[in-house]
Amino acid sequence: AQTVTQSQPEMSVQEAETVTLSCTYDTSENNYYLFWYKQPPSRQMILVIRQEAYKQQNATENRFSVNFQKAAKSFSLKISDSQLGDTAMYFCAFFNAGKSTFGDGTTLTVKP
Amino acid sequence: EAGVVQSPRYKIIEKKQPVAFWCNPISGHNTLYWYRQNLGQGPELLIRYENEEAVDDSQLPKDRFSAERLKGVDSTLKIQPAELGDSAVYLCASSPGTEYNEKLFFGSGTQLSVL
Repeated sequence: AQTVTQSQPEMSVQEAETVTLSCTYDTSENNYYLFWYKQPPSRQMILVIRQEAYKQQNATENRFSVNFQKAAKSFSLKISDSQLGDTAMYFCAFFNAGKSTFGDGTTLTVKP
Repeated sequence: EAGVVQSPRYKIIEKKQPVAFWCNPISGHNTLYWYRQNLGQGPELLIRYENEEAVDDSQLPKDRFSAERLKGVDSTLKIQPAELGDSAVYLCASSPGTEYNEKLFFGSGTQLSVL
């Protein structure tokens, strides 16, 4: 079974600054997909970024980028130029062969 | 394009009562997921449908939980009887095809409180 660990229950960052959220996972699989989802108070999970394990290049989406270290089984999310609207819970997720495992989330607060 | 619609948004019931949640996925999406999210935790998969077939229900507590997806569109998740430990947010998600690398589109969930 896969496990996903997010070691930072809460984080805060000043508006316009950069913050990095950590995620580690454990799996014996070689092909899989990793995701970061954002969950605002509305409860609706929104995809932030996706990474295919077979790709060495780190994924980027505007202000969001990942540092994917396959050997270390690490998948951190960097948010640049943080905005107040980034305040939410962030979940790291592992997908393989229809199985999905989510971490327990990091609550991010962006301060004005 | 309408998103994934779930109802009700909130539900409060007494233990041992039955409860049902409804999900309408995005039109044309073949795969539908039900997740349970306990307070302070990430979502946990209960059941996954590909069209009308339940392809993974290994985490569904079948003694009290049931689900159906008639005609491969809408889905209903039922709990009977509900227990105190069932209090959680129940999330529905859908994706266009059946590839597990696809983006999931989530609804806003149903928050269940069992008293």
